[in-house]
Amino acid sequence: AQTVTQSQPEMSVQEAETVTLSCTYDTSENNYYLFWYKQPPSRQMILVIRQEAYKQQNATENRFSVNFQKAAKSFSLKISDSQLGDTAMYFCAFMKPQGAQKLVFGQGTRLTINP
Amino acid sequence: DVKVTQSSRYLVKRTGEKVFLECVQDMDHENMFWYRQDPGLGLRLIYFSYDVKMKEKGDIPEGYSVSREKKERFSLILESASTNQTSMYLCASSLRVGLEKLFFGSGTQLSVL
Repeated sequence: AQTVTQSQPEMSVQEAETVTLSCTYDTSENNYYLFWYKQPPSRQMILVIRQEAYKQQNATENRFSVNFQKAAKSFSLKISDSQLGDTAMYFCAFMKPQGAQKLVFGQGTRLTINP
Repeated sequence: DVKVTQSSRYLVKRTGEKVFLECVQDMDHENMFWYRQDPGLGLRLIYFSYDVKMKEKGDIPEGYSVSREKKERFSLILESASTNQTSMYLCASSLRVGLEKLFFGSGTQLSVL
């Protein structure tokens, strides 16, 4: 079975700083998908970024980028120029490409951006 | 705009009650999911459905059942609520296959007393 581990329960940075959230996973699969989801205080989960394991290039979405290290089974999220609206819980998630889209989530990291 | 609606934002029930959590999506999605979210554990999949009247167990189905009589509606049922089912419940939906993202509802915080 796949497992996803986020070792940082909480993080806090100043506005405009860069912050990196860690995620490691365990799988015997060669092809899979990885995701970062954000859950703001409104509680609605929002997709931040996704990565396909067969793609070597790291995904980027505006201020959000990932560092995908397949051999190390690591998938960290970097948020540049952090903003107050980035304050949220962040979840890393794994999905096999076959069948229904069953996501396996990590424990989450609570990120606070301070003014 | 895409929408997944959960019927209640907060719910308080007594031990032993039968509890229904409702979820409706307006995107004609094939897949629907129920997750529970607990501090320090993240989200765990309870059940999912990939078509009307079709369902499959997730990782923690014990104590729960589901119903999907119509494509847009997916119900989670707690047959006899227990205190260890106090949790945040999140519904999600997605298109059938591929790298399509999940769309989530805003969650139901259930307290079982």
